[in-house]
Amino acid sequence: DAKTTQPPSMDCAEGRAANLPCNHSTISGNEYVYWYRQIHSQGPQYIIHGLKNNETNEMASLIITEDRKSSTLILPHATLRDTAVYYCIVRVANGSARQLTFGSGTQLTVLP
Amino acid sequence: GAVVSQHPSRVICKSGTSVKIECRSLDFQATTMFWYRQFPKKSLMLMATSNEGSKATYEQGVEKDKFLINHASLTLSTLTVTSAHPEDSSFYICSARFSGRAGEQYFGPGTRLTVT
Repeated sequence: DAKTTQPPSMDCAEGRAANLPCNHSTISGNEYVYWYRQIHSQGPQYIIHGLKNNETNEMASLIITEDRKSSTLILPHATLRDTAVYYCIVRVANGSARQLTFGSGTQLTVLP
Repeated sequence: GAVVSQHPSRVICKSGTSVKIECRSLDFQATTMFWYRQFPKKSLMLMATSNEGSKATYEQGVEKDKFLINHASLTLSTLTVTSAHPEDSSFYICSARFSGRAGEQYFGPGTRLTVT
């Protein structure tokens, strides 16, 4: 699986958009970008995933660059409950039973 | 969305005893379940992968005789920490892979094990 690089921490004001970057310059053509988050002392929560097109769901938007070497997770209106560690993971999907490999992630702190 | 439960959420046990942690997928079938361990301020580390009806595959450095995994049905996997020691104290998290989807994994809420 391709390695990912994320900033260790970020702050965001409540109500503003939180933009979390992820670099995955060695991503392969059949690898998806997944985002999970982990609120303190809880299990990780699936947020969103994508292959090459931008994706949006009720939680967030995922913007993937045209060359797929980086992506950005956008929380459009961050709340205090969005404070968590956010993990960007690159992995082959469909038909693979391989596990998710977690890096260090980004600690997002939403400030009142 | 898919729900994964774990039981117990917290357990304290004495050194030398064994502890069983259950992981259940509540509203979907999971042919594959994963067990992770997380130490304070660290990321999740995969311990083992279990497929229903077969033996688990352990990651390097994880003792299979100490961490017994049973995946007897499509909705239940168990992790038994045998002869627990204080250094086994950790946050144990299971994950279930939704069989029919594009590889999303859903995680349980975790079990905090403290060995005294």
